[in-house]
Amino acid sequence: NAGVTQTPKFQVLKTGQSMTLQCAQDMNHNSMYWYRQDPGMGLRLIYYSASEGTTDKGEVPNGYNVSRLNKREFSLRLESAAPSQTSVYFCASSEPRGPNQPQHFGDGTRLSIL
Amino acid sequence: QKEVEQDPGPLSVPEGAIVSLNCTYSNSAFQYFMWYRQYSRKGPELLMYTYSSGNKEDGRFTAQVDKSSKYISLFIRDSQPSDSATYLCAMSTGGYKLSFGAGTTVTVRA
Repeated sequence: NAGVTQTPKFQVLKTGQSMTLQCAQDMNHNSMYWYRQDPGMGLRLIYYSASEGTTDKGEVPNGYNVSRLNKREFSLRLESAAPSQTSVYFCASSEPRGPNQPQHFGDGTRLSIL
Repeated sequence: QKEVEQDPGPLSVPEGAIVSLNCTYSNSAFQYFMWYRQYSRKGPELLMYTYSSGNKEDGRFTAQVDKSSKYISLFIRDSQPSDSATYLCAMSTGGYKLSFGAGTTVTVRA
């Protein structure tokens, strides 16, 4: 019972490099999310996808792009990485029927930009 | 000013003590209140969910919401070393967007 799987778990990039973070869920959820977690800041929403083929900007979308290729997979791309994007990135999924539907999180990707 | 304020701690208590955690918020439109638990190197997991004001109890955990004061609390009774984690409060007006606190790190000493 995998839940939400994120790859890779760790990555170090140089400024200006590009990278795609992968996320897949096996719970047949319609909604998927990308967050970043920084010390003292809590979780901040980068992008949200209500269903396959739809995406919406969250609180901190600048410097990121996303793709919802199918119901299972939601990827996050950094086109030109900057040191300010050093963070822990979490993918989550949920049913969209109401706020009491819990968001299920993956274990994160720890990204360092040098 | 952040929409949700949470004291980051850290909080260290002996085994068996009561752990008290709280968050304050500024958006009076928040109606749904959640507590997530996050173990080290893991993703958050939903611990408690409360709608509007009032109390909710689940085993050793009690969540309280006071909308008049814009203040929510989580109490952990008979704390165990396995309760050592970071606890995140989260709130919603009813849509998909959650506003998270920064998290409070708790250590329960055996």
